Amino acid sequence: QSVLTQPPSASGTPGQRVTISCSGSSSNIGSNYVYWYQQLPGTAPKLLIYRNNQRPSGVPDRFSGSKSGTSASLAISGLRSEDEADYYCAAWDDSLSGRWVFGGGTKLTVL
Amino acid sequence: EVQLVQSGAEVKKPGESLKISCKGSGYSFTSYWIGWVRQMPGKGLEWMGIIYPGDSDTRYSPSFQGQVTISADKSISTAYLQWSSLKASDTAMYYCARIDYARQKVFDYWGQGTLVTVSS
Repeated sequence: QSVLTQPPSASGTPGQRVTISCSGSSSNIGSNYVYWYQQLPGTAPKLLIYRNNQRPSGVPDRFSGSKSGTSASLAISGLRSEDEADYYCAAWDDSLSGRWVFGGGTKLTVL
Repeated sequence: EVQLVQSGAEVKKPGESLKISCKGSGYSFTSYWIGWVRQMPGKGLEWMGIIYPGDSDTRYSPSFQGQVTISADKSISTAYLQWSSLKASDTAMYYCARIDYARQKVFDYWGQGTLVTVSS
C-alpha cells in the first residue's frame, strides 16, 4: 500500500491531453514539493517534474505539473506513442522521522 | 556529463551476503546526496535510504532500517548498498539516484539499475 495514491492505469489517443492524479496527506504533498518520474519499459526512471511544476532541461513543455492542497496532477498534452510508460509521483513525508514516499505508479497506454 | 554507473546483475542464494555499487562521475560526488530505490518485479518504486558522501551521513527508510547498509567511499566516488544475509524477497531491481537539494531536484540522475536475484 503506497503512501501516495495514483490510479493504476490511464489511457489516451495520440494528440489528446491526459492527466494523472496523485493524492496524499498534510504530512507529504500538503507541506512539501511533488516530483514526477517517467519510467519507459525496461529503463530506469527519469525526472519529469520537480518542485511541483518545474521541468528539467530537455523535458518537453507538453508535460506539466500542478499541486493543490494534498493532491497533485501530471498533465500530458499532445499525447505521443513514446509517452507510453509508467509514471510515479513522489514527495517528502514528514512523519516517521522523515522519508521519501512514492505513489504506486500509473501505467499510461497510448491507444 | 553526470553519470551514475551501477555494478552488474547478481544471482545469490538465501543467506549469502552482497554489496552492490554506484559510481558517480561528471560532478562533485561529495556535494550531493545519493539515494537507493528498490523496484520489486512488476511493482513500484520504494525509497530505501540516502547517504551524503561528503561526511557519510546516512538516513534510512523505516522499512529498510536494519535490513541493509548504505555506505560510500568518496575517494573513488562510489556509493554502496549491502546485505549481510539475503532473502528471496530481496529479489528486485535496485537503483541509485542523485539528489540536488540546493535546487530541490530530487533523484535528478539515475543509475541504470542492478538486478539482484536471490534463489536457492
